[in-house]
Amino acid sequence: RKEVEQDPGPFNVPEGATVAFNCTYSNSASQSFFWYRQDCRKEPKLLMSVYSSGNEDGRFTAQLNRASQYISLLIRDSKLSDSATYLCVSTSTGNQFYFGTGTSLTVIP
Amino acid sequence: SQTIHQWPATLVQPVGSPLSLECTVEGTSNPNLYWYRQAAGRGLQLLFYSVGIGQISSEVPQNLSASRPQDRQFILSSKKLLLSDSGFYLCASPANSNYGYTFGSGTRLTVV
Repeated sequence: RKEVEQDPGPFNVPEGATVAFNCTYSNSASQSFFWYRQDCRKEPKLLMSVYSSGNEDGRFTAQLNRASQYISLLIRDSKLSDSATYLCVSTSTGNQFYFGTGTSLTVIP
Repeated sequence: SQTIHQWPATLVQPVGSPLSLECTVEGTSNPNLYWYRQAAGRGLQLLFYSVGIGQISSEVPQNLSASRPQDRQFILSSKKLLLSDSGFYLCASPANSNYGYTFGSGTRLTVV
């Protein structure tokens, strides 16, 4: 079983829409969680950390549900520039990172 | 702040040829370093990690190897490339525990 699983999509949404991605992790001892954004043919870049209490950064909201072992990313008022692949990440003891395969988002004009 | 340099950006190599990819890190000392591969349509696969000079741990058996000759240098090598070695190779290091990894810009390898 994979450490982290995501729906690969693709998600095609119109500008201004709200879109949500979920990601599940298998290791209940996972310690930290992140969302990364990867543009086509580029390296992944950190979008935001995910805190137990949930956190918001502008149009982006991340939430963690430890009981159900999933994390989510909500994007409000989607922009064309939000088109990318979003990777969810969990970490174990020893700071090893486990990446999901990514969810593809295309925002359509 | 930490910066990771990788080169080359793109590489096309014939099957059976050798490979050497280099990663160097600036702005930190004694970093943990990681080599990942991302194959087309697939997720990031951890290949090797290193916690210090000369210390290499391999995550997946393959025809690749890694070396850490200096504190801030991490090298990925192969003696004979296979078609299945094609992919996007990324070097990474933890910026800090709250901010996840920093990645280099990657090397896109195509084995032909």
